Amino acid sequence: DTEVTQTPKHLVMGMTNKKSLKCEQHMGHRAMYWYKQKAKKPPELMFVYSYEKLSINESVPSRFSPECPNSSLLNLHLHALQPEDSALYLCASSQDSQARETQYFGPGTRLLVL
Amino acid sequence: KQEVTQIPAALSVPEGENLVLNCSFTDSAIYNLQWFRQDPGKGLTSLLLIQSSQREQTSGRLNASLDKSSGRSTLYIAASQPGDSATYLCAAHGNQFYFGTGTSLTVIP
Repeated sequence: DTEVTQTPKHLVMGMTNKKSLKCEQHMGHRAMYWYKQKAKKPPELMFVYSYEKLSINESVPSRFSPECPNSSLLNLHLHALQPEDSALYLCASSQDSQARETQYFGPGTRLLVL
Repeated sequence: KQEVTQIPAALSVPEGENLVLNCSFTDSAIYNLQWFRQDPGKGLTSLLLIQSSQREQTSGRLNASLDKSSGRSTLYIAASQPGDSATYLCAAHGNQFYFGTGTSLTVIP
């Protein structure tokens, strides 16, 4: 099973809402990633978790809060977002965070902030 | 900071043509380079991964090459099909994954 799943597929939220994005993999990978992708732009790295610990935070605003409850799950908690945060949010995983490993991507959650 | 550029930004070819997509990166200190395909509104599908010690990788109609010293990679697609229409992204993997700007490919039946 080389699949990374993400829920929900689509999300519409107001600026005062609190919501969460979920990502799951069962490949035994120990590194998981959140990326943000705006239309017609490449993905931009947001967070990296390695062995369930946050190892990289690319200066992401605090209205995005990642959480890694266990080695298979990665959440992204959203609060007080802005319309410019509307984007495709991609989750990925790899065997570990060493650079030689392939990253496997999920289908993404398309987020619209009104 | 690593900068990854892809040329052309968009490409339209008739079905059956062979084509080459280009990827250039500024920092040659990479561990590998990966090519992905992305369909509109979808996630990324890994196509080929070339380790820094390798020169090329092949999968079916796809062939990717890597020249670290010149900071270049190419993706060759043979006998293109309409189903190949998508955006192709390269990613240079150093201390982080740096994605290229992408090439939007349209194969016309």
